Amino acid sequence: EIVLTQSPGTLSLSPGERATLSCRASQSVSSSYLAWYQQKNGQAPRLLIYGASSRATGIPDRFSGSGAGTDFTLTISRLEPEDFAVYYCQQYGSSPMYSFGQGTKLEIK
Amino acid sequence: EVQLVESGGGLVQPGGSLRLSCAASGFTVSSTYMTWVRQAPGKGLEWVSLIYSGGGTYYADSVKGRFTISRDSSKNTLYLQMNSLRAEDTAVYFCARHSTRINDFDYWGQGTQVTVSS
Repeated sequence: EIVLTQSPGTLSLSPGERATLSCRASQSVSSSYLAWYQQKNGQAPRLLIYGASSRATGIPDRFSGSGAGTDFTLTISRLEPEDFAVYYCQQYGSSPMYSFGQGTKLEIK
Repeated sequence: EVQLVESGGGLVQPGGSLRLSCAASGFTVSSTYMTWVRQAPGKGLEWVSLIYSGGGTYYADSVKGRFTISRDSSKNTLYLQMNSLRAEDTAVYFCARHSTRINDFDYWGQGTQVTVSS
């Protein structure tokens, strides 16, 4: 079973700052199978990044993804007020077929 | 425009049953992979079940044997039949469409609340 561990649990930053969120897998994950989502309070998740580094349709270029193997990163270059939310990484592969990290809450400092 | 609208949630006693629906528009449910994901109160996301375009189904171990995913092409609707419900099944249930890559989910519904309590 592949377990995704996200860090930090909570990240406190100010608008305009750079955010770096980590997702570590317990076993190697194909880069093609790693995605990131944003979830605002009470809303459905929104796909941000697929294939570890490709932005989904309509996602601003301040969002970028990188990584390979067991270590993946979501970077938000300059935080906008609307970026404060919870972020999840997700993998496709071994049992379970799909799994998510526990999330990183990005809050305003 | 792609839209997914869930319904059917509510309060049910332990051991009871509930059927969730996910009405789709803007695409054909039977032509793509569809999934259910749930989120317990204050918790993260948990994948629950998947139905392939070919009709094959898969389940998380936590719901296997109790939940059944299905679809109705004539209504363009996805379903989740939930039996033998437990307190730990309490969550918001989201339906989601798989992208053409299959690996991720590009459209989500707004979710429906299921509460299992006596």
